[in-house]
Amino acid sequence: QKEVEQNSGPLSVPEGAIASLNCTYSDRGSQSFFWYRQYSGKSPELIMFIYSNGDKEDGRFTAQLNKASQYVSLLIRDSQPSDSATYLCAADSGTYKYIFGTGTRLKVLA
Amino acid sequence: DADVTQTPRNRITKTGKRIMLECSQTKGHDRMYWYRQDPGLGLQLIYYSFDVKDINKGEISDGYSVSRQAQAKFSLSLESAIPNQTALYFCATSERQTRGASGGSTDTQYFGPGTRLTVL
Repeated sequence: QKEVEQNSGPLSVPEGAIASLNCTYSDRGSQSFFWYRQYSGKSPELIMFIYSNGDKEDGRFTAQLNKASQYVSLLIRDSQPSDSATYLCAADSGTYKYIFGTGTRLKVLA
Repeated sequence: DADVTQTPRNRITKTGKRIMLECSQTKGHDRMYWYRQDPGLGLQLIYYSFDVKDINKGEISDGYSVSRQAQAKFSLSLESAIPNQTALYFCATSERQTRGASGGSTDTQYFGPGTRLTVL
């Protein structure tokens, strides 16, 4: 069964620090990987996606992909209390469907 | 106006009742999805549709049915609601994005605001 795994957290970091969120996936056929942010009771918002090995940066966010290790990460620089949310990792499972992880809860402490 | 809307936003119903959740989008996307989210279980795919005539079951379709009335509208029905269908329900749409020099494409999903359903 195809799976995406994340540590549920909470991951607590002080304001201004770098938050590092990790995700592993089981399907070597997955081509693209997505990070979503979800505030409590709200819908997931797309942060960024990555499909090539290496790093992809967008503002304070950097996604990292290592296909050999089947590992995806999201770094948040200069973390702010407003970044406190649950972060969902997803992998495409072919035929335009995603497999979602259960999310990591991030708490940024002021 | 929001690109993906869901109605109702909150609904409390009783066991055995039929209920319909509606989703509309102005993004012009062909692909639409219904998910449910339970605490600690992440997002689970119920049904998905690639166009008006193409509807597919997801991983947890039992007890649910869907209708794609138009490109912009995708409805989810619970024919006879039961308490374990209490959850947060999300509609999503997706667009194809090219991957640039590496070739291929990626479907990027965008979510509606959700419907909180409680079945008593």
